[in-house]
Amino acid sequence: EAGVAQSPRYKIIEKRQSVAFWCNPISGHATLYWYQQILGQGPKLLIQFQNNGVVDDSQLPKDRFSAERLKGVDSTLKIQPAKLEDSAVYLCASSLAGQGPYEQYFGPGTRLTVT
Amino acid sequence: QQQVKQSPQSLIVQKGGIPIINCAYENTAFDYFPWYQQFPGKGPALLIAIRPDVSEKKEGRFTISFNKSAKQFSLHIMDSQPGDSATYFCAALPRKGSGNTGKLIFGQGTTLQVKP
Repeated sequence: EAGVAQSPRYKIIEKRQSVAFWCNPISGHATLYWYQQILGQGPKLLIQFQNNGVVDDSQLPKDRFSAERLKGVDSTLKIQPAKLEDSAVYLCASSLAGQGPYEQYFGPGTRLTVT
Repeated sequence: QQQVKQSPQSLIVQKGGIPIINCAYENTAFDYFPWYQQFPGKGPALLIAIRPDVSEKKEGRFTISFNKSAKQFSLHIMDSQPGDSATYFCAALPRKGSGNTGKLIFGQGTTLQVKP
């Protein structure tokens, strides 16, 4: 079974630039999560989708971050404009509907460096 | 804001030792307490999880101990191996309702090094 795919794996941008990350969840997984993991900290949920609807985006900085999940499969997370404090690993995870929400499968992440 | 506090930040043990990682949570209702293992360059992977009505759960060399009255839970790794060297995260899943949406709250992580 293929895992969660993310691209790019690494990205370096200057502050005030924009960046987009892509995630392809495990086939059949209805729930998709985007997390931000700052160095030395645990992951923090940014947004959760159930199919193509948003379940929770309470911790998403909506003035600069946006996310979409078209057709309930792939998802993109965008940052515009980026700030220095956005430097982090952005993790995508997915889970089966009906599974325990802690049974999430994580992708390898995209490491973003904002200079 | 709900928090899960994890300690120690880093841990070094010899092969065969039993590293113990501790987590504590605050006053709230949680449904599950999972642990995740993360290797460099990889995403976290679910290791083991426990419900609050159980005091201990074992899966292979990994054991979770849960102390409900103290609001603490810990991970023990028996007969640790160099391949266990990774970062370990505890987490707590709040019960849905009362403003909670059921999203995982992660601890800060513990970097474990098992020396040969």
